[in-house]
Amino acid sequence: DAGVIQSPRHEVTEMGQEVTLRCKPISGHNSLFWYRQTMMRGLELLIYFNNNVPIDDSGMPEDRFSAKMPNASFSTLKIQPSEPRDSAVYFCASSLAGGAEAFFGQGTRLTVV
Amino acid sequence: GESVGLHLPTLSVQEGDNSIINCAYSNSASDYFIWYKQESGKGPQFIIDIRSNMDKRQGQRVTVLLNKTVKHLSLQIAATQPGDSAVYFCAEIRGNKLVFGAGTILRVKS
Repeated sequence: DAGVIQSPRHEVTEMGQEVTLRCKPISGHNSLFWYRQTMMRGLELLIYFNNNVPIDDSGMPEDRFSAKMPNASFSTLKIQPSEPRDSAVYFCASSLAGGAEAFFGQGTRLTVV
Repeated sequence: GESVGLHLPTLSVQEGDNSIINCAYSNSASDYFIWYKQESGKGPQFIIDIRSNMDKRQGQRVTVLLNKTVKHLSLQIAATQPGDSAVYFCAEIRGNKLVFGAGTILRVKS
């Protein structure tokens, strides 16, 4: 298995632009998580899905952030409009069940200038 | 200028020595804990896990100890190698959410 696949690996965008991060979870996993990692806050859970349904989005910082999971093999995290303080590494992870070991992708390094 | 951010504890060990990384958790209802290793430029990687009905679990060169009384976890790495240099996170399952601690930097000196 290729593991969790995220794209792009790096994204540089201007403030105000829309950014879409993509994730393909491991086949057969039914839980998917989006995390953000910064020096200031460490690894923060933004949102997680179970069977494609958003279960807890309490970590999503603002209305500028939205996440979707249209099917079991794809999820997106969108930021619109982006701001410099959104610069971070965004990780997607998946697991067989919500309470089990999560496997992480390589992350997307987002820089908003 | 002054740098502001998380000040992760750093553990420096000599190659070949044993390492002990500690973690405190806050939620007494958490029943599943995982240690992750994160190397530079990569996502966190599973090392070992433990459920709350156990107090010790061993893997290859790693041992996790759980003390529920004081809500404390530790990760012991035997015969530490240069490839063990990374940031180590303990994580707990709260409900179905995987919540991470701040992390500890492990530096292995050759």
